[in-house]
Amino acid sequence: QKEVEQNSGPLSVPEGAIASLNCTYSDRGSQSFFWYRQYSGKSPELIMSIYSNGDKEDGRFTAQLNKASQYVSLLIRDSQPSDSATYLCAVGPGTYKYIFGTGTRLKVLA
Amino acid sequence: GAVVSQHPSRVICKSGTSVKIECRSLDFQATTMFWYRQFPKQSLMLMATSNEGSKATYEQGVEKDKFLINHASLTLSTLTVTSAHPEDSSFYICSAIPVGTDTQYFGPGTRLTVL
Repeated sequence: QKEVEQNSGPLSVPEGAIASLNCTYSDRGSQSFFWYRQYSGKSPELIMSIYSNGDKEDGRFTAQLNKASQYVSLLIRDSQPSDSATYLCAVGPGTYKYIFGTGTRLKVLA
Repeated sequence: GAVVSQHPSRVICKSGTSVKIECRSLDFQATTMFWYRQFPKQSLMLMATSNEGSKATYEQGVEKDKFLINHASLTLSTLTVTSAHPEDSSFYICSAIPVGTDTQYFGPGTRLTVL
């Protein structure tokens, strides 16, 4: 069974702090890694994708990938209350297909 | 770019009726679309993978005769919930992958309530 694991949270951070969200995956053949944000009652929206080891920055978001450790993370700098949502890690397609984690609920406290 | 629409956004129907949900990629072509279901406070559950011009691939435990999927063109996939029952009430979300990429873009979802 190929898996993607995330801590369900909630992860609470004060406004302006850095939020760090983590994800591990089991399929070493995975080639693509994605972070999505899902607000309550809404569908997921793509934050960013990452394919190579290292960091990828997009505005306040930085994705980090370490294929050797099978670990991908998302850092959110200067967290805002509007960042409060569930963050989904997705992996694929690799030797299997796209697999989503169950998500980490982030709460940014004003 | 990469906009996916769903119609309707919300539907209420009586038990025993059928409901069709459309998923369209508005500014790209998609050979592959996915259908998910999500119950309140639960994670996304993949129901089926829809490939243009071929039969959908259903996940284990999903009844293919109850959830009919048609991917008739590179921009349209439909999900029909046949003989809907209250337990089918859920949030149905589609996603599409632009040709030549591997990134899923999600539609806004359809909230189905079966009375």
